Amino acid sequence: AQSVAQPEDQVNVAEGNPLTVKCTYSVSGNPYLFWYVQYPNRGLQFLLKYITGDNLVKGSYGFEAEFNKSQTSFHLKKPSALVSDSALYFCAVRDIEGTSGTYKYIFGTGTRLKVLA
Amino acid sequence: GAGVSQSPSNKVTEKGKDVELRCDPISGHTALYWYRQRLGQGLEFLIYFQGNSAPDKSGLPSDRFSAERTGESVSTLTIQRTQQEDSAVYLCASSSDGRLNTEAFFGQGTRLTVV
Repeated sequence: AQSVAQPEDQVNVAEGNPLTVKCTYSVSGNPYLFWYVQYPNRGLQFLLKYITGDNLVKGSYGFEAEFNKSQTSFHLKKPSALVSDSALYFCAVRDIEGTSGTYKYIFGTGTRLKVLA
Repeated sequence: GAGVSQSPSNKVTEKGKDVELRCDPISGHTALYWYRQRLGQGLEFLIYFQGNSAPDKSGLPSDRFSAERTGESVSTLTIQRTQQEDSAVYLCASSSDGRLNTEAFFGQGTRLTVV
């Protein structure tokens, strides 16, 4: 069965420092991976996705993510964190080839990012 | 509309009552999803609609939960005989076609409180 793991409940980083939010996945077919961000009392906003091609994917607000097939990881990164980046981040995977028989998004449990001024 | 719209934004109901939550997807989007997010937790899949195909109901937690979608437009999620454990934020999302590599766009959610 497909799944996503976000091993850290919370990540703290100082403003201006690089940040990494970790995600690992398990799928039976080719992985289609997504990152979403959730600000307080808001819905989820799409940040970026990996479908195929370059392993380094660039997205909104200066975020990027690196797909690593051998480590089955898709970590979210940003070179210089801002206080306004503080939010809840979700990694998600889909198996659109339908080997699991469904096209739903499977979400991780979320990682709370705190950027300290 | 420009985005996914959900109503109401907040709903407080008494235990045992039925509630209906509404989702207006982005115009032209054929795929629609419902998720539940309990306080401090991740997103739990409930149901997925793709065009006129039979929906994937595999995530509905009990027969008290049901959802409908008319064609490729509005969807309603109905919870009958609500229980306190149903308290959560219910999120709706849509995408242009669930069978493609497209991202889903989420609404702001409906916060349901069962007292």
